[in-house]
Amino acid sequence: TQLLEQSPQFLSIQEGENLTVYCNSSSVFSSLQWYRQEPGEGPVLLVTVVTGGEVKKLKRLTFQFGDARKDSSLHITAAQPGDTGLYLCAGDFNSGTYKYIFGTGTRLKVLA
Amino acid sequence: SAVISQKPSRDICQRGTSLTIQCQVDSQVTMMFWYRQQPGQSLTLIATANQGSEATYESGFVIDKFPISRPNLTFSTLTVSNMSPEDSSIYLCSVRDRDLRIEEQFFGPGTRLTVL
Repeated sequence: TQLLEQSPQFLSIQEGENLTVYCNSSSVFSSLQWYRQEPGEGPVLLVTVVTGGEVKKLKRLTFQFGDARKDSSLHITAAQPGDTGLYLCAGDFNSGTYKYIFGTGTRLKVLA
Repeated sequence: SAVISQKPSRDICQRGTSLTIQCQVDSQVTMMFWYRQQPGQSLTLIATANQGSEATYESGFVIDKFPISRPNLTFSTLTVSNMSPEDSSIYLCSVRDRDLRIEEQFFGPGTRLTVL
């Protein structure tokens, strides 16, 4: 069974601070996604990474895929209260079934 | 992208009853999935809904408890049978499609179920 561990589990920071969320597995991903979920809504896709070592930027968010494709990180610069939410990584382990397995989640709260 | 709607958006049910959740997509999609999200938790995959054949269930989930139908490429239902309070969760439908970017997955807004 593939597991995706995220750290930290909870994070409460002040507006303007930087933070990094990690997603780790012992298995290799064929692709990995990051989502943000707000209360009462389904997860919203932020980014998909497919190449080892890949870095993608989305405004103040920087996503990195590990060289071995077993881990990923999400870095937020100058966090804002609007960044508050549940951040989820999800990996496709190339099982041929096209299903994504979700990480344990990181709940972020940015205080004004 | 695909636009996904779910019905009902929420429900409160009595123990021992069953609830059927509907998922409708605005376009034909290759793959549909059902997830469960327990309060404060991440998402757990229940099953892959296969058109015209039995759903493929993940470990810990069985057809008798979570029967799934997928009569066509735009619609699926998930039934939560003989409910208990432990079934209180958000149930989410999601899709992937080979005609879209295959690695992208889209989610419906979820159905919030409370079992008393």
